[in-house]
Amino acid sequence: DVVMTQSPLSLPVTLGQPASISCRSSQSLVYSDGNTYLNWFQQRPGQSPRRLIYKVSNRDSGVPDRFSGSGSGTDFTLKISRVEAEDVGVYYCMQGTHWPRRFGQGTKVEIK
Amino acid sequence: EVQLEESGGGLVQPGGSLRLSCSASGFTFGTYAMHWVRQAPGKGLEYVSAITTNGYTTDYADSVKGRFTISRDNSKNTLYLQMSGLRPDDSAIYYCVRDFWGMEVWGQGTTVTVSS
Repeated sequence: DVVMTQSPLSLPVTLGQPASISCRSSQSLVYSDGNTYLNWFQQRPGQSPRRLIYKVSNRDSGVPDRFSGSGSGTDFTLKISRVEAEDVGVYYCMQGTHWPRRFGQGTKVEIK
Repeated sequence: EVQLEESGGGLVQPGGSLRLSCSASGFTFGTYAMHWVRQAPGKGLEYVSAITTNGYTTDYADSVKGRFTISRDNSKNTLYLQMSGLRPDDSAIYYCVRDFWGMEVWGQGTTVTVSS
């Protein structure tokens, strides 16, 4: 099975400052169709997860443009250009290339 | 509006069974693969199972293989998860998720507690 490893697991940030979360997979996430199925999710306290990014760098509808995804192969990054109070929560990466699907451990973003 | 509404959770004794349902609305259910994902209290997200549009192909996490069965009724716009041989470590919120380039739309979840 593919293992997804996120870092850091805890990320204290200052409002208005950038934040970055890393996600690494134990195998390449490039599928036979040439696409890379790497998703990023946000889970605010007490809420269901919400997808932010699909196929590495595509923002879902309604997601603020301060969120961006990048990477390739086995190394991926979620960046928040300027953290706002509503961004507090846990962020997960997930690979959708191989079966079974796997999530990273989650990164807790909090305000300093 | 796309909506997924889970039901069927509750308290069950170890070794017992439970069937979860997920009612879909606001989209053509039969044209999307679907997933179940769970989250134990205070823990991260764990993939449970997936099913293709026609229900012919399914997949399971090793932790539930042989105990859980995913199915769907496209005429009723409903996804199911039949759970048997339940263990305390199956206690979690169970989410129904629509697949589109990954796990696109999530329900609110239904809580399963396995305890004597």
